[in-house]
Order: sequence, then structure tokens, then C-alpha cells
Amino acid sequence: QQQVKQSPQSLIVQKGGISIINCAYENTAFDYFPWYQQFPGKGPALLIAIRPDVSEKKEGRFTISFNKSAKQFSLHIMDSQPGDSATYFCAAGPSGGGADGLTFGKGTHLIIQP
Amino acid sequence: KAGVTQTPRYLIKTRGQQVTLSCSPISGHRSVSWYQQTPGQGLQFLFEYFSETQRNKGNFPGRFSGRQFSNSRSEMNVSTLELGDSALYLCASSLLTGNYGYTFGSGTRLTVV
Repeated sequence: QQQVKQSPQSLIVQKGGISIINCAYENTAFDYFPWYQQFPGKGPALLIAIRPDVSEKKEGRFTISFNKSAKQFSLHIMDSQPGDSATYFCAAGPSGGGADGLTFGKGTHLIIQP
Repeated sequence: KAGVTQTPRYLIKTRGQQVTLSCSPISGHRSVSWYQQTPGQGLQFLFEYFSETQRNKGNFPGRFSGRQFSNSRSEMNVSTLELGDSALYLCASSLLTGNYGYTFGSGTRLTVV
């Protein structure tokens, strides 16, 4: 099964700092790379997504950086706030769907300390 | 606009029983995908339905099945439950078939005892 490797497993950042989560994928056929945020008792919520034709996408305090040659992408959360404390999942897959749906990373438990 | 609704929220079943979970997608969304979430394996794709047809199926045994109705509501069924089936089952709806633009529900927490 194609994997998406996510790191770190857990992360503690001070309020106002930058949170950085990294992911690496294997399948070069993947062309859709979303990030999801999940709070306890809730389903994952789509934060931001990128396609491989751009190297960076920014939405508010959230930025995805994408390196196609290295098959890596990362999420940067600027000015991190206590309300950002959640589990973050990267994912990858063919936008048109396929036998594996989206392949998710194992998640990063982010804690923002006030 | 109502979100994705999954029922029930919690379920406790005994090994060997079967269970049916329900998912009502966002109005207008025609694709429903199901995922299993466990602490060890993370989120794993079960299957996708679009216009009442199964479009894709993940690597799960035949005990896991599903269907979609003409109003896009979907059900998944697990027969002959095993302890390892204990998980959070999530459904996600989207406008079109494929992986783009999922909106997940809050899930059904299934515990098999």
C-alpha cells in the first residue's frame, strides 16, 4: 500500500510561534494533497489543499509548501493560537479517486501553549 | 447548510453480530466515501459510492459492505463483527466522485465486545 509519512507525531509550540508539520509521499500519480484538522469527538475538517502545479499556497495563517521533486509537502501555521491545538493529518491521492481513496498520514498532535 | 450527518454516534456490539451505520450527505452532494479510523492504522479508505454505484473499494474484507440510495444517503454494513472492527467510522461527502473536497461527518464510534 502506498504510504504517506508524517512527522512529527506530536508538537508543542508557544503561542505566536510557527508550527511546521511535514509529509512525504511515494506515489508519483498523486495529484491532490489536502491537510485536515481534527478536534476530539469530531471528524476531520479540510483546512487547505494543493495541487502539484504550484509550490506554495497560502490561506490566512495556513501555508502549504510543496516540493514535487522531493515528493514532500509541509503545513506551516503562522502566529499559532491555542485554538489551533488539534490533530493534523496530511493526505495524498489522485483527485479523480481510486482504489485507495485518499492515503492519510498518521497524524500530528499539536499543542499550542498560551 | 446542514453538514454530514452520521447515525448513530455510538454503538456497542458483540462479536459475531452485524451492524449498519448510516450517513446523510450534504444536500446536493452525490458522492459518499467511508473511512475507518483507529489509533494504530489511522484513517483507511473503505469505499466510495456515487450515484448509487460503488466506484472504489479499499483493502477490507468482504464483511464490510455498503450501499447508496437515490437520495444519496448511504449505509455501511459490517457482518460477523470482530474485536478489531472497533473504530471510528467516518463518512465524507463531496459534490463529485473522487477525492476532492471531502466534508466529513463526526463519525460513528463502534465498540465490539
